[in-house]
Amino acid sequence: TQLLEQSPQFLSIQEGENLTVYCNSSSVFSSLQWYRQEPGEGPVLLVTVVTGGEVKKLKRLTFQFGDARKDSSLHITAAQTGDTGLYLCAGGLRNSGYALNFGKGTSLLVTP
Amino acid sequence: ETGVTQTPRHLVMGMTNKKSLKCEQHLGHNAMYWYKQSAKKPLELMFVYNFKEQTENNSVPSRFSPECPNSSHLFLHLHTLQPEDSALYLCASSPGGVNEQYFGPGTRLTVT
Repeated sequence: TQLLEQSPQFLSIQEGENLTVYCNSSSVFSSLQWYRQEPGEGPVLLVTVVTGGEVKKLKRLTFQFGDARKDSSLHITAAQTGDTGLYLCAGGLRNSGYALNFGKGTSLLVTP
Repeated sequence: ETGVTQTPRHLVMGMTNKKSLKCEQHLGHNAMYWYKQSAKKPLELMFVYNFKEQTENNSVPSRFSPECPNSSHLFLHLHTLQPEDSALYLCASSPGGVNEQYFGPGTRLTVT
């Protein structure tokens, strides 16, 4: 059973466009992380959100945690080619120790 | 050297070979993890170590054998693997008590 569903699975846009990707679940998470992974490399942590309704900004990236802590979104403003990569969300459940549940990811391609 | 390092970066092995993957973290973290990443699948947690003690084994076949001699080093010993074991193997570490994980670059394993 896939705990975290990410959508869309693939996204191809041009430089300068805005986009939003989603991470949804029926489970409540104590925290949720977003990672970006480039081909042949390991995921790199972008942000952690822990409070329902929390919004965090990282330059042109805006992350939001749902009020019920079951879902999250990542919005990119004025995408650049350097934003290309696989965006993964991962959630930690209460009483699950240190284990994280990962979504399958959204593969983003930004073209010039 | 900083962060999480993994060696080798690429490995090709036959089904009868024995090899080991190495991971080292320079972040002072207490927990270390092995993940398997296959195409079109989410990251699969394999093993978790906390303060050198294995706290999670996610029903991994015995042909994968982890070893954690101290909080900074983690090994994954491989023997009699199958072609379906070909994947990117990722090591990660995290501070105690939080879910944020920091990944190494991975080892691309091909079993022939």
